[in-house]
Amino acid sequence: DTEVTQTPKHLVMGMTNKKSLKCEQHMGHRAMYWYKQKAKKPPELMFVYSYEKLSINESVPSRFSPECPNSSLLNLHLHALQPEDSALYLCASSQATVTQETQYFGPGTRLLVL
Amino acid sequence: GENVEQHPSTLSVQEGDSAVIKCTYSDSASNYFPWYKQELGKRPQLIIDIRSNVGEKKDQRIAVTLNKTAKHFSLHITETQPEDSAVYFCAAARSGGYNKLIFGAGTRLAVHP
Repeated sequence: DTEVTQTPKHLVMGMTNKKSLKCEQHMGHRAMYWYKQKAKKPPELMFVYSYEKLSINESVPSRFSPECPNSSLLNLHLHALQPEDSALYLCASSQATVTQETQYFGPGTRLLVL
Repeated sequence: GENVEQHPSTLSVQEGDSAVIKCTYSDSASNYFPWYKQELGKRPQLIIDIRSNVGEKKDQRIAVTLNKTAKHFSLHITETQPEDSAVYFCAAARSGGYNKLIFGAGTRLAVHP
């Protein structure tokens, strides 16, 4: 399996809802990433997990809560989001070695906050 | 802070022409430079990357050049085809296990038949 998968593909939620995004990879990668991408903009790094430990938090608001239950799974828990949080949320993974650092992206979850 | 500037923001070429996209990075410690292609509604996909110990790398119609002294790197696409139409992002990072990619703003390439 050489793909990163994400569910759901689309999500509509109200500002009082709680939802979760899921990312999965079976390439044996030990680094996993969450990015946020607004229309016509580049991906913007949110979080990085390395060997299941949170290594980077780019000062993301606490209404976004990442979780890495095991080396293949990455979740992003969402609560009390704002309309401006509407975006494409991309997950990526990489080998986490100096010579194998290509990040492979999932197809993303398109989130709309009403 | 770390920054990557990318030019042009849009590029329109005729099929068969060459296309060149240029990026400049600010962090002199950056040593890994990937290029991603993102078609409308799809995920970014790596098309080529280069490390700082190499000045040029080619893969069929695509080539990347790196000038570490000037902190410039460029993507060259030859014999463009309509399926090359997409947004292209350059990025820079420091190698070290996981890495924090600093992306350029993107170039929207349109290849007209």
